[in-house]
Amino acid sequence: GQQVMQIPQYQHVQEGEDFTTYCNSSTTLSNIQWYKQRPGGHPVFLIQLVKSGEVKKQKRLTFQFGEAKKNSSLHITATQTTDVGTYFCAGRVDSNYQLIWGAGTKLIIKP
Amino acid sequence: DSGVTQTPKHLITATGQRVTLRCSPRSGDLSVYWYQQSLDQGLQFLIQYYNGEERAKGNILERFSAQQFPDLHSELNLSSLELGDSALYFCASSDRPNTGELFFGEGSRLTVL
Repeated sequence: GQQVMQIPQYQHVQEGEDFTTYCNSSTTLSNIQWYKQRPGGHPVFLIQLVKSGEVKKQKRLTFQFGEAKKNSSLHITATQTTDVGTYFCAGRVDSNYQLIWGAGTKLIIKP
Repeated sequence: DSGVTQTPKHLITATGQRVTLRCSPRSGDLSVYWYQQSLDQGLQFLIQYYNGEERAKGNILERFSAQQFPDLHSELNLSSLELGDSALYFCASSDRPNTGELFFGEGSRLTVL
């Protein structure tokens, strides 16, 4: 079936280091969304990418959508403690527009 | 505050019992989604409604059922509960059925003992 693979499952970084999570779909996506879930919280929408090769920035966060619209990444520069949480990608499939969720990447800041 | 309201926030019950979780979507949103999140796991899509009609079904067990009412609120019914049903259940809403961002409620944490 259609799936979106997200890696890594966890990433431990020192505060100030960069963080990247990747999503790869088995099928072409019409768009991809990114969400952040803080510990003990609920997922919160960050951004939606629609166009092939699209790159969007939100302060220290950079989101990319691949040329083939099958992969996406989220890169955080110089992580801060406020970045802690789980980042999910969710892609909409062209054929039925259903949201297919990645398993999430948990960002952990080393003490 | 996403504007999506879920009740109850916490629920503790015993195996074999039945519970109902309630969701009020954001004002004006016609689409409601239900998700299950087990401890430290991802989001498992259960079911989607749009304007009272079932739109899509995910990995929803036969013991679970849902509906969306004319006032657009939705209820998720979980019956013959098992220990493995313990999880966080999220409701989300959106203004369109197939596009647009999802706004999540704070979730209902179900514990089955």
